[in-house]
Amino acid sequence: GQNIDQPTEMTATEGAIVQINCTYQTSGFNGLFWYQQHAGEAPTFLSYNVLDGLEEKGRFSSFLSRSKGYSYLLLKELQMKDSASYLCAVRAQPAAGNKLTFGGGTRVLVKP
Amino acid sequence: EPEVTQTPSHQVTQMGQEVILRCVPISNHLYFYWYRQILGQKVEFLVSFYNNEISEKSEIFDDQFSVERPDGSNFTLKIRSTKLEDSAMYFCASRNPDRANTEAFFGQGTRLTVV
Repeated sequence: GQNIDQPTEMTATEGAIVQINCTYQTSGFNGLFWYQQHAGEAPTFLSYNVLDGLEEKGRFSSFLSRSKGYSYLLLKELQMKDSASYLCAVRAQPAAGNKLTFGGGTRVLVKP
Repeated sequence: EPEVTQTPSHQVTQMGQEVILRCVPISNHLYFYWYRQILGQKVEFLVSFYNNEISEKSEIFDDQFSVERPDGSNFTLKIRSTKLEDSAMYFCASRNPDRANTEAFFGQGTRLTVV
């Protein structure tokens, strides 16, 4: 089976840094994705990790440790518009359709 | 920028009625998906579709559900006899398999309300 855990909610201040952790236990692994989802909207892609290490994309970075089944998303220089849910999703193998299995999402509230 | 489009944005239907949710995936994508998200819950996989057939489906995707690609651009999800518990946001997604390990792009969703 697949199990993906992330905190339900986090609060941070504008300009600060927030780290969202994600742990997973899946039957096989073929990549971990982070998506951002504003309320009532579609998930939008933020980052992808398949090898261990850090991937940096502007203010957002994502880290993966496959041996620990662990990833985090780091949001730097927080802006009010970053208030959203952040979804950790794993693509497991074998899977002909390459589906994504999502965690419950972490709602981040950025305060002034 | 190309995007996945879904219609309608919101549909209200009576229990027991059939609904068809429509999606136009990104034109050069070959993998298509339906996911759903019940209010306040996680995004759940329903079905994936490739080369004109279902490649994988979840336990949620029972006999009441079907998908179709009736032409070269549309991808539809049909629910034959809706139940109250089918009320959710339904997201269509597509992916380009030509580039290794690409992400899925999601449409804006159809909010289905069964009354």
